[in-house]
Amino acid sequence: ELKVEQNPLFLSMQEGKNYTIYCNYSTTSDRLYWYRQDPGKSLESLFVLLSNGAVKQEGRLMASLDTKARLSTLHITAAVHDLSATYFCAVYTSGTYKYIFGTGTRLKVLA
Amino acid sequence: DTAVSQTPKYLVTQMGNDKSIKCEQNLGHDTMYWYKQDSKKFLKIMFSYNNKELIINETVPNRFSPKSPDKAHLNLHINSLELGDSAVYFCASSHGTGTQETQYFGPGTRLLVL
Repeated sequence: ELKVEQNPLFLSMQEGKNYTIYCNYSTTSDRLYWYRQDPGKSLESLFVLLSNGAVKQEGRLMASLDTKARLSTLHITAAVHDLSATYFCAVYTSGTYKYIFGTGTRLKVLA
Repeated sequence: DTAVSQTPKYLVTQMGNDKSIKCEQNLGHDTMYWYKQDSKKFLKIMFSYNNKELIINETVPNRFSPKSPDKAHLNLHINSLELGDSAVYFCASSHGTGTQETQYFGPGTRLLVL
């Protein structure tokens, strides 16, 4: 059964600092997604990662995928207040058509 | 113009009623989705349609039925509403494949069952 765990669940950090959010999943999967959700708002797609060693970057966010470890990371560089949001990862397995979300990491960047 | 729109934005109804949520996308995408986000913010995919064909049909009560009259619309019909159906429902559409895949989400429909 595909399970997806994110940690930490809550992250409070100072502006200018770096930090990493982790997304572990339990079975071999085809795609890993990262999303952002602002409070009370809808979701926004950030990244899709497919292959082992894949890395994608957009501004201060960088996502990577290690399929052997079944681990994806979302790295935040020099955080700014505007990055405050909840970040979700999700994993898709085409063989079973399973698409499971992590619990989300609520990020708060303090000025 | 709104890319993915949902109506209504808010829906308050009584247990046992039947309701529908409409979703339309004007992006020309082939794939559309319904997601549910509960009060604890947990997200779950409910359905995925590609070219009007059901691709993902997660374990949801059969009271929930998606209807896709055409590629631009994926409506969600819910029969015999229960308290536990209270949640925010998001519609989305996507284009591209592989690493170029991008999903666009609607604003959500907040459903409250009393």
